[in-house]
Amino acid sequence: QVLLVQSGAEVKKPGASVKISCKASGYFFTNYAMHWVRQAPGQRFEWMGWISDGGKGNTKYSEKFQGRITITRDTSASTVYMSLSSLRSEDTAEYYCARLGLSGYYWDFWGQGTLVTVSS
Amino acid sequence: DIVMTQSPDSLSVSLGERATINCKSSQSVFYSSNNKNYLAWYQHKPGQPPRLLIYWASNRESGVPDRFSGSGSGTDFTLTISSLQAEDVAVYYCQQYYNALYTFGQGTKLEIK
Repeated sequence: QVLLVQSGAEVKKPGASVKISCKASGYFFTNYAMHWVRQAPGQRFEWMGWISDGGKGNTKYSEKFQGRITITRDTSASTVYMSLSSLRSEDTAEYYCARLGLSGYYWDFWGQGTLVTVSS
Repeated sequence: DIVMTQSPDSLSVSLGERATINCKSSQSVFYSSNNKNYLAWYQHKPGQPPRLLIYWASNRESGVPDRFSGSGSGTDFTLTISSLQAEDVAVYYCQQYYNALYTFGQGTKLEIK
């Protein structure tokens, strides 16, 4: 079955960076794009960016995070990574990876979430 | 950005009764070229990943019980649970994928009365 297993919770100081992993299993990894979404406490889900399927792994980021976010992948490990730099308290949130279904429009499987807490 | 607004924010329904959640988008998410509404519904339970329930506004995802149904077009959409079960307690979100900015509603918390 399809599983997306994310790395564990992180506590970071303001100004630091965080890198979260999302290991995929149960399907052919490069056939699907992967997105990252976050939900801050009491807030809506917020789309952050994605890495495409196929050989190139092109990326696209939300304007809100441009310059601070990097999404990469290791196809040999079936793992996608999301790095966010210059962290501030407002970045405290649950971060999710979400697989884009073959339709290319909606997310059919999500990771379990990774809580990132930014606090001095 | 397309703003998604759900109503109500919370809902209490008796077991076996119907639950209805509404979602309104600030602009149409319907593409006439392919006759599709670019809207999905997700169920989110504490400690679990969100689960896709409905896509293209009315298509039930594989494995989702048939008591869940989606309807609507353009800017107004509805998620209906025909006969509420205890395991349906969750927060429900609508999401548009009309443009690549992917925005969500604020969520509707569904509880048992």
